[in-house]
Amino acid sequence: AQTVTQSQPEMSVQEAETVTLSCTYDTSESDYYLFWYKQPPSRQMILVIRQEAYKQQNATENRFSVNFQKAAKSFSLKISDSQLGDAAMYFCAYRSARGGSQGNLIFGKGTKLSVKP
Amino acid sequence: GAGVSQSPRYKVTKRGQDVALRCDPISGHVSLYWYRQALGQGPEFLTYFNYEAQQDKSGLPNDRFSAERPEGSISTLTIQRTEQRDSAMYRCASSLIAGGQLGEETQYFGPGTRLLVL
Repeated sequence: AQTVTQSQPEMSVQEAETVTLSCTYDTSESDYYLFWYKQPPSRQMILVIRQEAYKQQNATENRFSVNFQKAAKSFSLKISDSQLGDAAMYFCAYRSARGGSQGNLIFGKGTKLSVKP
Repeated sequence: GAGVSQSPRYKVTKRGQDVALRCDPISGHVSLYWYRQALGQGPEFLTYFNYEAQQDKSGLPNDRFSAERPEGSISTLTIQRTEQRDSAMYRCASSLIAGGQLGEETQYFGPGTRLLVL
């Protein structure tokens, strides 16, 4: 069974600085997708960024980028130029791309990010 | 609608009562997933549908939990004889393509229903 681990329960960053959130996962599959979701105080679940395992290039979405290390099974999220609105719970998630799989997401326990003005 | 909607947003019930939680997915989305999220935890998979067919219910905790999606659109998650341990945020997500098929799939989440069982 696949597992996702986020080893940092809480992180803090100064406004305008850069922060990196860690995520590791365990799988025996070669095809899969990885996601970072943001959960602000409103408790919505908002997709931040997505990575296909077969792509070597790291995904980037504006101030958000990932460092995907397939061999190490690591998928960290870097937030540049942090803003107050980035304060939230961040969840790393795995989804199998194997044919016949359910396609459900497997989540880590989350990292709570605080942004200091 | 523009996004996934869920109702009610908050539900307070007494132990032993039945509750029904509704999810209205994004129009045209084939797959619909139910997750449960305890406080301080990530969401955990409950069940999912492709169109009206329930494909997997292995995540449902016990037989008090059931779900349906009779017309392949709106889905209802029902919890019978609620217990205090059922208190959690219940999330619904939908995706454009059928789960289990190779290909890119992004799940879009609704705002959730916060259930409190007294």
